[in-house]
Amino acid sequence: QKEVEQNSGPLSVPEGAIASLNCTYSDRGSQSFFWYRQYSGKSPELIMSIYSNGDKEDGRFTAQLNKASQYVSLLIRDSQPSDSATYLCAVNSPMDTGRRALTFGSGTRLQVQP
Amino acid sequence: GAVVSQHPSRVICKSGTSVKIECRSLDFQATTMFWYRQFPKQSLMLMATSNEGSKATYEQGVEKDKFLINHASLTLSTLTVTSAHPEDSSFYICSARAPGESSTDTQYFGPGTRLTVL
Repeated sequence: QKEVEQNSGPLSVPEGAIASLNCTYSDRGSQSFFWYRQYSGKSPELIMSIYSNGDKEDGRFTAQLNKASQYVSLLIRDSQPSDSATYLCAVNSPMDTGRRALTFGSGTRLQVQP
Repeated sequence: GAVVSQHPSRVICKSGTSVKIECRSLDFQATTMFWYRQFPKQSLMLMATSNEGSKATYEQGVEKDKFLINHASLTLSTLTVTSAHPEDSSFYICSARAPGESSTDTQYFGPGTRLTVL
């Protein structure tokens, strides 16, 4: 099974700062990349999806993809205390069954300090 | 749109009993649903892919006779944990792929079911 790697954190940033979350993946054939936010005890919530190299912006969030480097990142501008959560990177990868499905990283815990 | 529900949200059972968890897509038809398991401080691990009208595809290491999956309609998939034991205690989360999203693989997650086996 292919891997998705994330720094577990915690990543601590002051309110109003930019938070930068990083993710690397091992499968060069991956085409779909996602960022999910997960609050403690809750299920993941989709924040961003990205499919082609470059940047994709949605409000305060910007996803960046570099397929050559097998790297995907998420920038959160003007971070708010409510952004404090675990951010999961997910990559469409081949599974042991041969099918492709989402493989999740272990997540990066973000703490935004008021 | 793209709302997925799960029931129950929390269940506590005795060792050896069976527990059924329902996953429903409320405002769309999902030909494919996914079942994940998440242990504390760990990430989501895919257990199986559930396809409407056919047998589920289980990932390596997941016992198909212990985790029974039924996807009888386009809006409902069920996961039954048979003869549950304390090591099965976990957060079980389903997701559904919206129509037309098979190429993008966008999945919408249910709220999860926390299972505690005593």
